[in-house]
Amino acid sequence: DAGVIQSPRHEVTEMGQEVTLRCKPISGHDYLFWYRQTMMRGLELLIYFNNNVPIDDSGMPEDRFSAKMPNASFSTLKIQPSEPRDSAVYFCASRTGGYGYTFGSGTRLTVV
Amino acid sequence: DQQVKQNSPSLSVQEGRISILNCDYTNSMFDYFLWYKKYPAEGPTFLISISSIKDKNEDGRFTVFLNKSAKHLSLHIVPSQPGDSAVYFCAASADPGGGADGLTFGKGTHLIIQP
Repeated sequence: DAGVIQSPRHEVTEMGQEVTLRCKPISGHDYLFWYRQTMMRGLELLIYFNNNVPIDDSGMPEDRFSAKMPNASFSTLKIQPSEPRDSAVYFCASRTGGYGYTFGSGTRLTVV
Repeated sequence: DQQVKQNSPSLSVQEGRISILNCDYTNSMFDYFLWYKKYPAEGPTFLISISSIKDKNEDGRFTVFLNKSAKHLSLHIVPSQPGDSAVYFCAASADPGGGADGLTFGKGTHLIIQP
């Protein structure tokens, strides 16, 4: 079990560019969550999926943010266009039953 | 507005002593509470949880206490060890099954264990 795999680990991009963050959940997990961590707001839930279907995207800050889960083993979070205030650590987590959220190691995004 | 609050950004405790981390919440719909531990450059990892039908749950050196009337929970670590130095997040869910609706996290408390 390789855990939740996120890529890239670090991303530095210029303001206005498109950024795509990737996540591979644990096989068999039917829930997938995207979180963002900042000093000001801590860990915020952006969106989550159940069986590849988006259930709640009320945490997505703006229309510049979008997320997809085309199949059970892959999800993306896209920011287009990116802005400096999007700089944060983005975590993906997956879950099946119970309370066992397993988090990935995160992607540290810096927008300059 | 923060529904889960950890008012101490950091806490320093001597090795071998008790560490007490506190958490308050405002949403009366929360039914399940969890603590996560996070090391630098890693994702949070699950530590211990408690359902609202209980007031205490223990797992080895870790005990979580829940006071529903005060909307307060605490994590006790006894005895504290150097490896316990990390950021601890309190989290809550309105799903009694434990978070199918997504967890709401506090901002975290950085625990530092002094040798």
